Amino acid sequence: DAKTTQPPSMDCAEGRAANLPCNHSTISGNEYVYWYRQIHSQGPQYIIHGLKNNETNEMASLIITEDRKSSTLILPHATLRDTAVYYCILRTGANNLFFGTGTRLTVIP
Amino acid sequence: GAVVSQHPSRVICKSGTSVKIECRSLDFQATTMFWYRQFPKQSLMLMATSNEGSKATYEQGVEKDKFLINHASLTLSTLTVTSAHPEDSSFYICSASTRQGASYNEQFFGPGTRLTVL
Repeated sequence: DAKTTQPPSMDCAEGRAANLPCNHSTISGNEYVYWYRQIHSQGPQYIIHGLKNNETNEMASLIITEDRKSSTLILPHATLRDTAVYYCILRTGANNLFFGTGTRLTVIP
Repeated sequence: GAVVSQHPSRVICKSGTSVKIECRSLDFQATTMFWYRQFPKQSLMLMATSNEGSKATYEQGVEKDKFLINHASLTLSTLTVTSAHPEDSSFYICSASTRQGASYNEQFFGPGTRLTVL
């Protein structure tokens, strides 16, 4: 299971953009970057994933550096309901998901 | 779409009893289901991978005789915790996916089952 590094916690003001970084310096060419989040006492929720290009959906944007050694998940307008633990996971299609410790994001009113 | 349910959401049992947890994919056929365990303030740990109609593959350190997994249909997998003890108290989460050749498609997670063993 490939390794990612995330800050243990972050705060963000409600309504502002939340930028969550993830380092994956040993990523290999066929590994995708996946982001999930887990709100307290619930199952994880898929957010977004990407390989090389930046991706955007209705929940978030994913920015992957050109060398693919790091990425940033952006929640454009954080709300209180975005308070959760966010997991950055590297995965090939054949691999299971291995969850690290993630970043605990707290959105502050 | 892609909804996964779990039942029960919460269970309390006495030490030594067995507990069955169901995981259902409600709107798609899941060739593969995964079972995770999460202790308080810790991350999810994969316990086993279950393919429909075949035996589950357990991760290292997970006792297959204690955690019985059955995946008899494309929409239902069950996890039975046999002879549960207080140290088995945890949050159990399943996910469901489809498989294309050697690859897995997206995993969709259930809401989890909190097991408390007294």
